[in-house]
Amino acid sequence: EVQLVQSGAEVKKPGESLKISCKGSGYSFTSYWIGWVRQMPGKGLEWMGIIYPGDSDTRYSPSFQGQVTISADKSISTAYLQWSSLKASDTAMYYCARPSDYYAYGMDVWGQGTTVTVSS
Amino acid sequence: EIVLTQSPGTLSLSPGERATLSCRASQSVSSSYLAWYQQKPGQAPRLLIYGASSRATGIPDRFSGSGSGTDFTLTISRLEPEDFAVYYCQQYGSSSWTFGQGTKVEIK
Repeated sequence: EVQLVQSGAEVKKPGESLKISCKGSGYSFTSYWIGWVRQMPGKGLEWMGIIYPGDSDTRYSPSFQGQVTISADKSISTAYLQWSSLKASDTAMYYCARPSDYYAYGMDVWGQGTTVTVSS
Repeated sequence: EIVLTQSPGTLSLSPGERATLSCRASQSVSSSYLAWYQQKPGQAPRLLIYGASSRATGIPDRFSGSGSGTDFTLTISRLEPEDFAVYYCQQYGSSSWTFGQGTKVEIK
């Protein structure tokens, strides 16, 4: 079964750093992009950025460039999203998702989401 | 960056009725790269339509997509109870994706 499994919920304080993960299984991890999507409480979906684990080619939405870092470790089929200094406004659900060229880069596989809460 | 605007924000309908959701792009989108998703509370989004009009695996045929250029439509021919959810359009271009703000389909 093709799946993406994300790390668990996080509660952090403003200014702290954080790295959340997304582990792929059931497919060739290095052959598909992995993207990250933010959903703030009660709001819509926002595309943050994407990485191609095969060569670590990374692209960011202009809204998130410089705010987060996306990386991947292909040896363990895992992608990451990290913050160096969290803000309260980073409180959200974060999903990883896999665009597929079979589906014209529609995202056919999604992780279960990681809730990040930033509060003093 | 292409901006996608969905309308209406909320659609209040009864089971069995037809739902028509609109997605308008700020500039032309390749039809090959326009997708629709369904999201229910507490769940991750699910891919419904890709390439503007093709149904993803396992999606019932009451869901259909159409459109080209800057105007796209998702139609649910007869609403089932499980179809009440939020729907998002999404476009892909030049290794960049954007989502519309969503349309909520609620029970009238």
